[in-house]
Amino acid sequence: AQTVTQSQPEMSVQEAETVTLSCTYDTSENNYYLFWYKQPPSRQMILVIRQEAYKQQNATENRFSVNFQKAAKSFSLKISDSQLGDTAMYFCAFMKGSGNTGKLIFGQGTTLQVKP
Amino acid sequence: DTAVSQTPKYLVTQMGNDKSIKCEQNLGHDTMYWYKQDSKKFLKIMFSYNNKELIINETVPNRFSPKSPDKAHLNLHINSLELGDSAVYFCASSSQVTSMNTEAFFGQGTRLTVV
Repeated sequence: AQTVTQSQPEMSVQEAETVTLSCTYDTSENNYYLFWYKQPPSRQMILVIRQEAYKQQNATENRFSVNFQKAAKSFSLKISDSQLGDTAMYFCAFMKGSGNTGKLIFGQGTTLQVKP
Repeated sequence: DTAVSQTPKYLVTQMGNDKSIKCEQNLGHDTMYWYKQDSKKFLKIMFSYNNKELIINETVPNRFSPKSPDKAHLNLHINSLELGDSAVYFCASSSQVTSMNTEAFFGQGTRLTVV
């Protein structure tokens, strides 16, 4: 069975600075996808970034980038130039690639506070 | 245009009642899901339907019954509501047709409070 662990329940960062959120996972699968979702106070789940396990290159989306270490089963999210609107809960999620049902397995979440 | 919409956004009801949450997606996706987010914010899948066929049924009490009249709709009916059912319920959809499966798109969530 797959598991996803986010070991940082809460983090804070000053506006305009950089912060890294950690995520580790456990799986015996070789083909899978990893995601970071953002949940602001509005409750909406918003996709931040996606990584395919077969791709060695780390995904980037504007100020958001990941450090994907497949051997270490680590998938951290780096937020550069933090903005007040980045304040939210962030969830790391795993999805199998083969025999895929689309089921997402989530970590416990990390609450990020961006301070002015 | 809302991609995945669920109604109602808030639902307060008494123990023992039966209630439904509706979900619709206009993304043309073939797969829809229900996730539950508990009081500690932990998200866990409950059900998944692919083209109206149930493909995932996690360990969920049989008081919960999903219904998919067509692939754009997935409703959740809950019988004999209990205090422990209080949570936020998210509907989501994705495409599982191709090898490049899409990520899940989520609705706004329904906060269910059982009193």
